[in-house]
Amino acid sequence: RKEVEQDPGPFNVPEGATVAFNCTYSNSASQSFFWYRQDCRKEPKLLMSVYSSGNEDGRFTAQLNRASQYISLLIRDSKLSDSATYLCVVNMEGTGRRALTFGSGTRLQVQP
Amino acid sequence: DAGITQSPRHKVTETGTPVTLRCHQTENHRYMYWYRQDPGHGLRLIHYSYGVKDTDKGEVSDGYSVSRSKTEDFLLTLESATSSQTSVYFCAISDSRDLNYGYTFGSGTRLTVV
Repeated sequence: RKEVEQDPGPFNVPEGATVAFNCTYSNSASQSFFWYRQDCRKEPKLLMSVYSSGNEDGRFTAQLNRASQYISLLIRDSKLSDSATYLCVVNMEGTGRRALTFGSGTRLQVQP
Repeated sequence: DAGITQSPRHKVTETGTPVTLRCHQTENHRYMYWYRQDPGHGLRLIHYSYGVKDTDKGEVSDGYSVSRSKTEDFLLTLESATSSQTSVYFCAISDSRDLNYGYTFGSGTRLTVV
């Protein structure tokens, strides 16, 4: 089982749609969670951290369910510029590895 | 944005030759990381460093070595390049041991081994 699993997509949605991505992780001791965005042939960039209480940043909402070891990202009112790959990222606390583990990414294509 | 640069940006090399990739940061961050990114695998950790001369292996470290003699530089060496090491290599930095703030990435190095 992969440590961080995501549906690779692609998700093809029209402008203005709401889209949700999910991610599961294997390490129940993980403490830090993030969503990164990666544009084609570019480096990943931090989109937002994910907190236990859930958090929102404009059109983006992230939620964490520790009991189910599940993270989600909701994008409302999709824009063409949201087209990218979204990476779910988890800190592998307790494994002895002081590093982040990345999912393979979910590709989003927003169409006019 | 954090000051982190990778060099070279692109490289083509022959099988069996040694290759060194450089990551340079101006942020004085303690933690530095090398990842490779391949289709279907996402980003996989090669090696990381938690201080000068302190390094550790990641999940795909075979065939790679690293060195960190200064805070600002983290070098990744492919001892004898193979075609399976054709990939995009990303360096990342962090100033948090608990990684509460995530990483900042460099722009990547596209390496092709022929």
